[in-house]
This record gives sequence, C-alpha cells and structure tokens, in this order.
Amino acid sequence: DIVMTQSPDSLAVSLGERATINCNSSQSLFYSSNNKNYLAWYQQKLGRPPKLLFYWASTRESGVPDRFIGSGSRTDFTLTISSLQPEDVAVYYCQQYFATPHVTFGGGTRVEVK
Amino acid sequence: EVQLLESGGGSVQPGGSLRLSCAGSGFFFFFQDFDMNWVRKVPGKGLEWVAGIGSTGDSKYYRDSVRGRFIISRDNSQNMLYMQMDGLRVDDTAVYFCAKSPPADCTGHSCYALQFFQHWGQGTLVTVSS
Repeated sequence: DIVMTQSPDSLAVSLGERATINCNSSQSLFYSSNNKNYLAWYQQKLGRPPKLLFYWASTRESGVPDRFIGSGSRTDFTLTISSLQPEDVAVYYCQQYFATPHVTFGGGTRVEVK
Repeated sequence: EVQLLESGGGSVQPGGSLRLSCAGSGFFFFFQDFDMNWVRKVPGKGLEWVAGIGSTGDSKYYRDSVRGRFIISRDNSQNMLYMQMDGLRVDDTAVYFCAKSPPADCTGHSCYALQFFQHWGQGTLVTVSS
C-alpha cells in the first residue's frame, strides 16, 4: 500500500495567521498521461463526517473558502489555510487515490487556535 | 443535495455479526450511477477505507484486514448500500461512514473509477468488546 505521512500531528495557530499542513506519499501520485496528482484533502470537525476540500491536489470542492489552498506534486503536498478562522478548527486528512481501489489516508493533522 | 444515512451499528462481542445499511437520497442523485464505499474512523486513529463496490454491484473491493469477513453489497432499486460484517474483532471498533465516489473520469473511450469521497453519511458506531 502507498503510505501517506502527514506533519505535524497537530498545530496551534493564532486567528488570522497561516496554517500549513504537509503530506508525503511513499510513491509518486502523479499520472503522466493526464498530468494529474491523485491526492485529496478532507476536513473533519468534532462529531461530524469528513468533508472533501480538494481533489487532484489543488482543485477546490464547491463551497470551500478560498483561504484554503491545496498545492504540491508527485510525493509532496501541502494544505494551507491562509488566514485561520475559528470555524477551521478541525482534523485535516490527505488521501491518495492513485492506487484505486486501495486508497489510503494520512494520519491526520489537528489544527487548533493558539 | 445528496443525503446518505447509515444504520445498523451497535455493540457486539468478538466473533459477532452486524449488518450496516446506508440509504441514499437527493435531487439529481441517481444512486445507481455511482461507486459506493464504507470508510471507518478508528478511535484515536485516522480514517481507513474498508470496502468499495462498483455502480452495478459487479465489482467489490476490500482492505486486507476485512477480506473474507465483510461483504459489501447494494440494491440499486432501493438506493441502498449494505455491509455484512461477520467475525468481528476488537480492532473493527470504529465509526463507519457510507461514502459516495465522484463520477468516473472518462476520456475518449476509457473511463476510470475515482476513489475519493465527495459525500459522506453521518456515520454509525460499531463497538466490538467482550
């Protein structure tokens, strides 16, 4: 299986400041035939189901605020929250779907307000 | 709006069985057009994909740890997804989510399934303990 490693495990950021979450995959998620990275990001708030934020590493799902930015390619990816808001407190997960159907998630990164 | 509603969770002893159900509904949501999945959130850990099924029900996929114990199925006439869970183990304890895949990625004459999850149910808790 492709192993997804997220860092840090948790971070505390002041309101209005930037939060950066890293995700590394054990093999490239880039498919050269369509120039796409098979990487998704999710947000899970306490007691709620996960919510899709990005797919293809940087394509924002409808309704996701533009302060959320997905970037990266091949094995290294980043989720950035440019200006942290109170409602962004959550656990964030990356997920590879390159190895469909045997997809795997990162371990999660907890974001809190400092 | 797509709605997915799980049921069937509960507490069982190791070796026991449960059957999870997921009802799909919503305007312009044609259940039979989409691959469906079960994903679980293990307490104190992250998310794990458990099983997936193609739109027609012909293709079924499982993570290694549940293969041979869990069976995923669907009834497109009723917009229902199921998972029969036998031989339950303590490490199967989790919140189980029903999750819908997006449409297949089609270019030219080829279509490829995409296994990320656009819509999720609220989840149902399965507790396996003696």
